[in-house]
Parts: sequence; structure tokens; C-alpha cells
Amino acid sequence: GAGVSQSPSNKVTEKGKDVELRCDPISGHTALYWYRQSLGQGLEFLIYFQGNSAPDKSGLPSDRFSAERTGGSVSTLTIQRTQQEDSAVYLCASSPWARAQYYGYTFGSGTRLTVV
Amino acid sequence: AQKITQTQPGMFVQEKEAVTLDCTYDTSDPSYGLFWYKQPSSGEMIFLIYQGSYDQQNATEGRYSLNFQKARKSANLVISASQLGDSAMYFCAMREGNFGNEKLTFGTGTRLTIIP
Repeated sequence: GAGVSQSPSNKVTEKGKDVELRCDPISGHTALYWYRQSLGQGLEFLIYFQGNSAPDKSGLPSDRFSAERTGGSVSTLTIQRTQQEDSAVYLCASSPWARAQYYGYTFGSGTRLTVV
Repeated sequence: AQKITQTQPGMFVQEKEAVTLDCTYDTSDPSYGLFWYKQPSSGEMIFLIYQGSYDQQNATEGRYSLNFQKARKSANLVISASQLGDSAMYFCAMREGNFGNEKLTFGTGTRLTIIP
């Protein structure tokens, strides 16, 4: 596809269950970001990938959160033992490469996670 | 300390008037980029405009312009001739760091409402 694809678009899960959120970036985009946006709030940085490497994992809220990226393409964000405070929209963004030469990041439409 | 500060949580502006959304930033990286994104109620993140730290002129894109005052670390978005469709959340963001270790940080946003 032409854009960043995220799946599922909506996920309702029971507290304590594990969830996997998927991001399929634009082909050829080497940089990939995950953000979390709680209702009415700004974007909270979670993790950044350059290729398959994640040099900055500082934004992951706890050790229940993990992410991986394979083949420099698809990324999966996994939340283990979900808690109600994990309820949010999880946004993925990608860009072709870093530094000031690039003029924007393309965002996916997000996964709305609800933990009940 | 906040990397990106947006001091206006909400603004109401009469249709056809110009509006300025404030953004200040904090970085010690000599090379950085500043972005503005629009998020309508549908939730998608729409890239509006970009300013590089070494750009000599203020960026412009149609009705959007960025008032970049480097010494004051300010990057305000100006929307000319506002329209009802401009009602949305607006986020200022900054990219800093080196290739393979960049970071894109967002402000808390300003909710703009255009009044007919």
C-alpha cells in the first residue's frame, strides 16, 4: 500500500491478556516510530527503529512493553499482562531516512486499544 | 524540562481571520528540524510544514507559514484566512539527534476551533 498500515484498527482485550499491535511502514522507509496517545492528550514516544535496530528504547513505559522489527519492514509492539492504563491509541510513523533532509513522517491511522 | 512547549491548550478564532499557534523548543543539537502536524477529530496525523534549523527563510506551504525565530527557540505556526475545516488539534514536533539515533518529540498540542 501507499501509506503506513496498522492492524488491528481496534482491539478490546481483558486485563491481564497479552496483545500484539502491528505496523507495516511504507516500503523503503528505514525509520519507524511507535507513539501512544491517550484520550485528548499529546503523543508519548515509545520506541524508535532505524532498520531493525532500536537505539532508543527509553520511552517504553515498563518491561511489559516490547517491540521488534524484522527485515527492516514490519514492526510489532507487544504488551504483556495488559492493564487498564494501557488503553490508548497506538500510532506508528515511518520515514525514509533521518536528519533534516526529510520533510515529514507518515503516520498510520493507529490502533485503538481498550483494556477492560 | 519540556523539549517542546505549546502554551495554548485551546483557541477560538473567527472564520477568515489569521491565527498564530505558539511553539517553543529546547535543544542543544545544532542540527534539528521542526514540524507541525494537524490532527482532526478523525484521528489521523496530517503533516503541515517543516523548518530545518539551518534554513535561512521561514517555511511556507499554502495558507501555512512557520515563524521561525532561532535565537528565541520559537517556531510558531501561522494559518492565514482560517476556514472551518481548520478546526483540529495542532502539534508541534522537533527532530534532533544523528542518523541511527534520532528522536522526534511532540508538544502537548493546541485545540483550534474556528467559529463561523
